[in-house]
Amino acid sequence: KQEVTQIPAALSVPEGENLVLNCSFTDSAIYNLQWFRQDPGKGLTSLLLIQSSQREQTSGRLNASLDKSSGRSTLYIAASQPGDSATYLCAVQTSGSRLTFGEGTQLTVNP
Amino acid sequence: NAGVTQTPKFRVLKTGQSMTLLCAQDMNHEYMYWYRQDPGMGLRLIHYSVGEGTTAKGEVPDGYNVSRLKKQNFLLGLESAAPSQTSVYFCASMGRAYEQYFGPGTRLTVT
Repeated sequence: KQEVTQIPAALSVPEGENLVLNCSFTDSAIYNLQWFRQDPGKGLTSLLLIQSSQREQTSGRLNASLDKSSGRSTLYIAASQPGDSATYLCAVQTSGSRLTFGEGTQLTVNP
Repeated sequence: NAGVTQTPKFRVLKTGQSMTLLCAQDMNHEYMYWYRQDPGMGLRLIHYSVGEGTTAKGEVPDGYNVSRLKKQNFLLGLESAAPSQTSVYFCASMGRAYEQYFGPGTRLTVT
């Protein structure tokens, strides 16, 4: 059974800092890995999707990497801003069309 | 283009009552999902559908039923609500690039 773990569970940083969120998964036979953002009381918004054949994806200040063989992904956020405060979840797609989610990292960026 | 919408946003039920949650998407997606989100347990898949007229069980299907009579709608039913079904329910659809789009959620309390 696929298991997804995110470390740390919570992170607090000052504005302007670069930071890395970690995601690990137990079964390397994945189709893709996605990073999502969830604001309090809201649904999830997809940030980046990395196909299993890719090593990284970038969108603005966000960069996600994937090392499928070691079962790891990182989300790098450059020059963090208070508006980046949210919970970040990673999810892997394995069999068929199903996603397995981690529990998320709650990020607080302090002004 | 409204994306994924969910009805209702909030609901309080008494144990034993029934209700149906409605999910609608206007992106012509084949795949649709129902998840529940609970503190400390992350997002868990309840049921999903790979196309009109099809449904399949996810990780936690017991106590729920679903129907996909029209491509744009995916209904989640609780026949006899239990306090353990108190949760936030999210609907999602998946596009051809495997990106998942989430609705805003339904907060359900069963007393």
